[in-house]
Amino acid sequence: DVKVTQSSRYLVKRTGEKVFLECVQDMDHENMFWYRQDPGLGLRLIYFSYDVKMKEKGDIPEGYSVSREKKERFSLILESASTNQTSMYLCASILDRSDSNQPQHFGDGTRLSIL
Amino acid sequence: AQSVTQLGSHVSVSEGALVLLRCNYSSSVPPYLFWYVQYPNQGLQLLLKYTSAATLVKGINGFEAEFKKSETSFHLTKPSAHMSDAAEYFCAVGFYNQGGKLIFGQGTELSVKP
Repeated sequence: DVKVTQSSRYLVKRTGEKVFLECVQDMDHENMFWYRQDPGLGLRLIYFSYDVKMKEKGDIPEGYSVSREKKERFSLILESASTNQTSMYLCASILDRSDSNQPQHFGDGTRLSIL
Repeated sequence: AQSVTQLGSHVSVSEGALVLLRCNYSSSVPPYLFWYVQYPNQGLQLLLKYTSAATLVKGINGFEAEFKKSETSFHLTKPSAHMSDAAEYFCAVGFYNQGGKLIFGQGTELSVKP
């Protein structure tokens, strides 16, 4: 079974800090995704990556960056955290980027609070 | 533009009653359709997906969904609600050659009353 692991379930940081959220998948998946989830807004795509060192902006990339140095690890970076980035962050992955009918596999999420 | 709309941010049913969660999509090309469930403090789990082999799709935990092309809908149903079904449900749509990207609906929170 696919395992997508997010390093922290809960995180509290201060405004202006640089914040790293880590995600690791154990099934050699090609594509990885970062979403934020806010009440009433569903999931919104921040960034995704289809290969090592490759990244593409999603719908709301402002204030975020990502890093994918190894295939199994996809990091989300908040360069200078702000209170409006308080949210639930979800990481997901899929095996084969050429098959759009695959489901995404999700981690358990990181609930991030910026004070 | 491609989009997904879930009608009703909160749905409340009694235990044993029918569950109906609505999902409509907007697209000019054939979509790939999914329903996910999120239990409190967890990530999303796949409930079911439309594969084009049949318009009625059966998923886990007794849920099913029917694809109606003429109505651009993919509503989720369960004949008899159980307390353990209380969760948030997301409809999502994907498209060919999009690298597996999905567009998610706003989510519907299902409450089940004893």
